[in-house]
Amino acid sequence: QSALTQPASVSGSPGQSITISCTGTSSDVGGYNFVAWYQHHPGKAPKLMIYDVANRPSGVSSRFSGSKSGNTASLTISGLQAEDEADYYCNSYTSSTTLGWVFGGGTKLTVL
Amino acid sequence: EVQLVQSGADVKKPGESLRISCKGSGYRFTGYWIAWVRQMPGKGLEWVGIINPADSDTRYSPSFQGQVTISADKSINTAYLQWSSLKASDTAMYYCARQTSASNIAYWGQGALVTVSS
Repeated sequence: QSALTQPASVSGSPGQSITISCTGTSSDVGGYNFVAWYQHHPGKAPKLMIYDVANRPSGVSSRFSGSKSGNTASLTISGLQAEDEADYYCNSYTSSTTLGWVFGGGTKLTVL
Repeated sequence: EVQLVQSGADVKKPGESLRISCKGSGYRFTGYWIAWVRQMPGKGLEWVGIINPADSDTRYSPSFQGQVTISADKSINTAYLQWSSLKASDTAMYYCARQTSASNIAYWGQGALVTVSS
């Protein structure tokens, strides 16, 4: 099972908005509303930012939002802050394997 | 408070066996699936597999099927990831995590660094 496709890197200045895409197929992203996004700072545990495409766990800033169109899911971060600099991973349910889940390759966000 | 506490870092030689653990507390252990995720040095997150502690129903990523064994002991609220013969390529950080619902995996262990080197 191939990983979902994410850009290797994105960047933005403080206060700007950025969007990270996550492209899959109709067997995963496009077929189910079970897409999540994780923020990962090196050496720390991943943090859930968005689940079920667009839901934000309690405690996560409203600057983070998720959406989906066709086979592509997106994570948008508005009002970029220095502490947002991290790696971001999408994760989707997939019908292609018995495990049922697949990560994206990850995107490094740099705040300029 | 929900917590997942993993065993500490391990250094092993190729061919040795290893079992790392993940102890859950602050919730009903048998009520939620436990996932294992790998991050190799400089690489992204990868699913290893997932287990239902209530009945030990286990699913593996195709890349890990036959390479590792996931198990759980519900009497002590602990899940395990084990290798019978480690390779250098198993060197990685391994995380356990609790699946709350569908794509909601909000609780993670602190990670366990496994180093395999001769």
